[in-house]
Amino acid sequence: DTAVSQTPKYLVTQMGNDKSIKCEQNLGHDTMYWYKQDSKKFLKIMFSYNNKELIINETVPNRFSPKSPDKAHLNLHINSLELGDSAVYFCASSQEFFRTVGWTEAFFGQGTRLTVV
Amino acid sequence: GENVEQHPSTLSVQEGDSAVIKCTYSDSASNYFPWYKQELGKRPQLIIDIRSNVGEKKDQRIAVTLNKTAKHFSLHITETQPEDSAVYFCAAFSSGTYKYIFGTGTRLKVLA
Repeated sequence: DTAVSQTPKYLVTQMGNDKSIKCEQNLGHDTMYWYKQDSKKFLKIMFSYNNKELIINETVPNRFSPKSPDKAHLNLHINSLELGDSAVYFCASSQEFFRTVGWTEAFFGQGTRLTVV
Repeated sequence: GENVEQHPSTLSVQEGDSAVIKCTYSDSASNYFPWYKQELGKRPQLIIDIRSNVGEKKDQRIAVTLNKTAKHFSLHITETQPEDSAVYFCAAFSSGTYKYIFGTGTRLKVLA
């Protein structure tokens, strides 16, 4: 009954390849995110989707293309992988519960460690 | 743009002592401030959060304070234990921008 699940957990690939990371959440949340965590552990937002619509694209190279087929899924496709893409990629989701309560925590997937060689 | 500064980047304390981590945010529209703990090789997980209409919140050994005027918020861990050792992230969320901006993390080591 994992809340946010990503696949694969590990991904080793050569430069120039194209790869995808899948993310699914069963929390009924409307908003999903992709974060990149580099070797220094910085967590940087890449994309935010709300109700399948792209809300945020944080100056991510267009080699990265998110796709949200429905509210429960947000996949990340990466073209022409580069060495600098090596990082841990986290998917997350969150929800606004009525205006009086506001937003709640972001629930993270277990991460996908991408290594480009 | 939006930014969250976090200090210190590393913190070592003796078991039983207190630990304090401080964050400053820049976006005045931020209204929700969660704190996450990330153990090695694992996902960040929420340990405590605070909303903009509250100045302080406590949960057992963990407390968070918020000063909206100064745009500061802090995490306080009392009676630290070795299992508290991890990387801690503060974050600020603005419902106008649909994103959590994370601080740069604090690596806490609790020495037995």
